[in-house]
Amino acid sequence: GNSVTQMEGPVTLSEEAFLTINCTYTATGYPSLFWYVQYPGEGLQLLLKATKADDKGSNKGFEATYRKETTSFHLEKGSVQVSDSAVYFCALSGRTNTGNQFYFGTGTSLTVIP
Amino acid sequence: DTEVTQTPKHLVMGMTNKKSLKCEQHMGHRAMYWYKQKAKKPPELMFVYSYEKLSINESVPSRFSPECPNSSLLNLHLHALQPEDSALYLCASSLSGGYTFGSGTRLTVV
Repeated sequence: GNSVTQMEGPVTLSEEAFLTINCTYTATGYPSLFWYVQYPGEGLQLLLKATKADDKGSNKGFEATYRKETTSFHLEKGSVQVSDSAVYFCALSGRTNTGNQFYFGTGTSLTVIP
Repeated sequence: DTEVTQTPKHLVMGMTNKKSLKCEQHMGHRAMYWYKQKAKKPPELMFVYSYEKLSINESVPSRFSPECPNSSLLNLHLHALQPEDSALYLCASSLSGGYTFGSGTRLTVV
């Protein structure tokens, strides 16, 4: 079946620190992979995505590479800012008997302190 | 238009009330979804509409009743809710894999 395993939080970093949030997946077929961000009190926003192996998604300084050999899609940012404080969800879109379906990781809460 | 619009943004209702949540998109997406999200948890799938037909109902209690009047609109009718139904209700739409989410309706049942 399809599932996403995401690094447990919460994560607290100082401003300008390096960020890694681990995400691994299991899937049948060839899923698309996503990172969504949810700021306090808001809905989910697509942060980046990758649709095939070795693709790198990037946005706002965040990057993630679709690694088929390790079934991973880790999120990284070289220098975090206070405004990056949010909950980050890894997700995959995979085929099921009823069509494409979305699977979310449990979410990782990030707090960046000045 | 690349957005999913949800109204209202906030809703407080009593356990005997009837209310509706509304979701609208004009991106031509043919799949639309309702999710329920508790604080700092991932969204939980409630319903999936594909080409205006209900294709997935994740065993949601009948006090939640979805409706898809046309390809751009998705409603969620609420009746006799319980306090544990208080949550953020998210609508999403998709065309081929990636989802676009609305900003949600924060529902409080008193």
